[in-house]
Amino acid sequence: DAGVTQSPTHLIKTRGQQVTLRCSPISGHKSVSWYQQVLGQGPQFIFQYYEKEERGRGNFPDRFSARQFPNYSSELNVNALLLGDSALYLCASSFGDRTNTEAFFGQGTRLTVV
Amino acid sequence: AQSVTQLGSHVSVSEGALVLLRCNYSSSVPPYLFWYVQYPNQGLQLLLKYTTGATLVKGINGFEAEFKKSETSFHLTKPSAHMSDAAEYFCAVSLIGGVGSNYKLTFGKGTLLTVNP
Repeated sequence: DAGVTQSPTHLIKTRGQQVTLRCSPISGHKSVSWYQQVLGQGPQFIFQYYEKEERGRGNFPDRFSARQFPNYSSELNVNALLLGDSALYLCASSFGDRTNTEAFFGQGTRLTVV
Repeated sequence: AQSVTQLGSHVSVSEGALVLLRCNYSSSVPPYLFWYVQYPNQGLQLLLKYTTGATLVKGINGFEAEFKKSETSFHLTKPSAHMSDAAEYFCAVSLIGGVGSNYKLTFGKGTLLTVNP
């Protein structure tokens, strides 16, 4: 079975541009969460979606937005990119919406803002 | 609010030696606790988790962790280190939520484990 797939794997953008990151969860999983991992730090929670509904949002500015599609795939959008947005963006999928169900992480999208 | 502190950003052990990675958490209510491993240029893989029940939790690759409520700790151990254990390890905490609550993992800053031959 395919795991969580994220695209693209690497991306270079210029300050002020907009970017869209994509995530396909494991088949049958209905929950998708997004995390930002800055170099040398642990991942930080950005969003969680379950059954196409936003269930939680971390402490990120409104420049960050996300959505989940009927097939449970998800997109993370970041507008007006700043140098500080350079990070590894991780997507995690799980069957349920609770933390007692295992979250499976993708390999991430490495975003570099120049 | 919950938080996680991992003591030691870098731990170095010899192959065959005991691995001990420390994690302390802060939570206003009983938490769920997790250890994840991250290999270079990879995502995170779950090693083990504590939700309820037995406080000594066994995970993959010979790792185990013990939930100690009185010490608010969830240290990760492995009796004998292998070269393949070299990676970054993250402790994470999540609050137990009700129906419709969000699923949010709060991670520590990570501990880089180096295994010397």
